[in-house]
Order: sequence, then structure tokens, then C-alpha cells
Amino acid sequence: DSGVTQTPKHLITATGQRVTLRCSPRSGDLSVYWYQQSLDQGLQFLIQYYNGEERAKGNILERFSAQQFPDLHSELNLSSLELGDSALYFCASSVGGRSLSGNTIYFGEGSWLTVV
Amino acid sequence: DAKTTQPTSMDCAEGRAANLPCNHSTISGNEYVYWYRQIHSQGPQYIIHGLKNNETNEMASLIITEDRKSSTLILPHATLRDTAVYYCIVRVPYLGSSNTGKLIFGQGTTLQVKP
Repeated sequence: DSGVTQTPKHLITATGQRVTLRCSPRSGDLSVYWYQQSLDQGLQFLIQYYNGEERAKGNILERFSAQQFPDLHSELNLSSLELGDSALYFCASSVGGRSLSGNTIYFGEGSWLTVV
Repeated sequence: DAKTTQPTSMDCAEGRAANLPCNHSTISGNEYVYWYRQIHSQGPQYIIHGLKNNETNEMASLIITEDRKSSTLILPHATLRDTAVYYCIVRVPYLGSSNTGKLIFGQGTTLQVKP
């Protein structure tokens, strides 16, 4: 158990709909990362937050957005869903900051999204 | 972020040591070598990391060459449960003005442990 909690574990929704994926980082971790893994793709970095602020953006579509709340949990919002958005979405967390120690990134078990 | 090169796939006999190589010839002085693995659609699992010294933990050993241009992950006694995709990633692990500490995954090495 990495300590990173993601909900829901599985989600099936229709095209055009909107879903929200939730992530609770490990206790004390300030950085949250989101990744997407499609069947034919590797792990793609989407976005990173540190202590509530966006820190880095990767291959995240404009239909997708995320935020990190004051209690440090994060949500990834996916809207106008298309069939190609079906994927595993992983959240990860680390202490973050400028210290070398404790900056290992730990991943949750993912949220399986199926768009039909 | 520096890129890494890993073999696409490898086989290993159960009970034997699995040695997974990684080339990172353009690694910078402040970049660490990290290893993760992903067991069939589970979340990537952290294995080990190092800067320039060899490292060992309960899961594996990491051997980094003196010039830091390559490394080897060693699973000393591979079991069937070690069958997974192994990722070698170089990363500056802390937040700074020009880096965020994020992980960028390549294609990794698919390790098949056989009975």
C-alpha cells in the first residue's frame, strides 16, 4: 500500500459526459501528479500541483482540468468525454519541495475509466 | 530531462538473478537514477534510486557506473511475481526554478520470469 488513495477505482460513462477523479496523497505530501495510461500508450504525464499551485503541465487536453485543494487532495476533471479517453488514470504524490530526502514519488492504484 | 535506453524485453529463470540494464549517457550531475516497475495495470511501484554510489534495499540493488552513463538494476532471486515492466528514469528529485521533480516514463523493459 503506497498510501496514495484514488477513487473511484472503476468508472463507466457515456461519451460527452463529465467525470471527476479524486486523489488523496500520502500524509505530509505536498506534490500531486496525474498520469494517463491508455491501452496502446505508455504512462503519460498530465499535470503536477505543489501545495495548491500548478507546477507543471504535460500532455493534458483542454477538456481536462485539475486542482489541488487546501487539504492537499486533488481532483482531475474530464469533460466532453470521447471514446479515446478510456484509460487508467494514476495519481502520485511526493513530499516535494527543495529537500532531496523524501522526494520519492509514490503512485496510487489508479482509476479505470471506460467511455462507451 | 535526460533520456534513458532500455532493452524492450528480457527473460529470466525463476530463482536466478535478473540484471536489467539502462543507458543514460546524457545524465546531468544533479540527476538521480530511479527505477520503478509496473505489474500488469497496477500503479507503478518504486524500487530504488541512486546518484552515483551503488545502492541496495530489500527489493533490489542498483549498480551505477563510475561515469554515471549507465546503470543496472539487480533482482537477486527473481520470482514469478517479479514479472513486470521495469522503468529506468533519470530525474532531478526536488523542486527548483527549472525543474519540477516529475517522472517521465519511457517504454521500459518487460521482464518475464519463467519457471
